[in-house]
Order: sequence, then structure tokens, then C-alpha cells
Amino acid sequence: DQQVKQNSPSLSVQEGRISILNCDYTNSMFDYFLWYKKYPAEGPTFLISISSIKDKNEDGRFTVFLNKSAKHLSLHIVPSQPGDSAVYFCAASDTGGFKTIFGAGTRLFVKA
Amino acid sequence: DSGVTQTPKHLITATGQRVTLRCSPRSGDLSVYWYQQSLDQGLQFLIQYYNGEERAKGNILERFSAQQFPDLHSELNLSSLELGDSALYFCASSSSLAGEVDTQYFGPGTRLTVL
Repeated sequence: DQQVKQNSPSLSVQEGRISILNCDYTNSMFDYFLWYKKYPAEGPTFLISISSIKDKNEDGRFTVFLNKSAKHLSLHIVPSQPGDSAVYFCAASDTGGFKTIFGAGTRLFVKA
Repeated sequence: DSGVTQTPKHLITATGQRVTLRCSPRSGDLSVYWYQQSLDQGLQFLIQYYNGEERAKGNILERFSAQQFPDLHSELNLSSLELGDSALYFCASSSSLAGEVDTQYFGPGTRLTVL
């Protein structure tokens, strides 16, 4: 049972354009959502997060949008840079359950 | 550098064997998490410890066990290894208090290969 789904295994974007990575979840108890970025041979690193009481959080080039009614969140990267090429994991947490559930990841390629 | 260290970086062993993976959390972090990432799979949560006590359990097999020691380092023990246990094993730590969500800081991982 995949509670957090990233349906696009990969995404290719031209440098300077917008990258949109999507994530869907099924558990309505999730109340905190995070995005992590992972380069090869390294552990994931935290990128941005959003609480369920918000619908948008912005940090520089990165913005996360949350649509609770659709159980959907997305990460926007604008403008995309070649250094953004990595695997992006969406994660969801239920503060009462102490667990964080990760999606399968989306590999982003930003072409120069 | 996240401040989380994992040893060893690589481990090659045979089926049926037992291995121990070690993790040292960031200074001051009380929570340690273990994850398994198989080929092209997401991060599967295995188990979490908070200040020495088991806090949450995920899809951890009975052949696997973990503990967190008084100095807060953690070990993941994998026994009766099978080919399918070959994966990257990540440790993460956070400063979160029980019941709070906090950013997790990941180590570089241990790549386990079972032949």
C-alpha cells in the first residue's frame, strides 16, 4: 500500500524553465509534508516543507503547493538549473504516528 | 556534510550471514531513523529510536533488529541475509521531540551487497 506516490519516475526540463514535480498521498492523517533532494552516492538532503495548515511555502527558487482536498502536493523549481538535476523525494508525516513515509522519487534532468 | 556518519560505506557478504550497520547521529540529535532503499525504489522506513527507546516501526523484517545506545549511536543488525536484502541502508537523525515532526538529516548510506 503506497501511501505516498510520485507517479513520474523522471522529468526532463530545459535550463531556465520551470520544473514541476508532483506527489499524491492517500492518508488524510498526514499533516506535514517535505521534499528531499538526493544526488548519487549521497544521502537525501532536506529541501523544503509545508504544514497542512498552509497551502503554499516558498524558499528562493523552490515553492511547494499543497491541495489538501485533492491530497496532492507539488514542488516548483523556477528557474531550473543544471545543478538541480537529482532525485527528488516527496515525504509525508503524521505527527501523531511519528513516521515519515517517502515516495519512490522523481529523477529530474535539467538540460543546459 | 549532514553530520550523520555511517559505517561501513560498502559491505559485501554471502547469503545466510549476519551484518551490523552503524550510525552516529548529528551532535545533539536524539532521534535516529533507519531506511532501506532497494534498486529504483523509494526510501522504506524501517524503524525509529528516540533517546534509546524504540519509537516507531515500519516495514522491518523479523530478521532485522536495531538498537540505540546511551551515547545515541545506533546499530542495525541484519541476519540470515537473502539476496533481496541487497540495498542502500540510510540512517537519519533529527532533534525532534516525540510527537513532533522535524527535518531529518541523512547519512551517506551503507551499500549492502548479498551474494
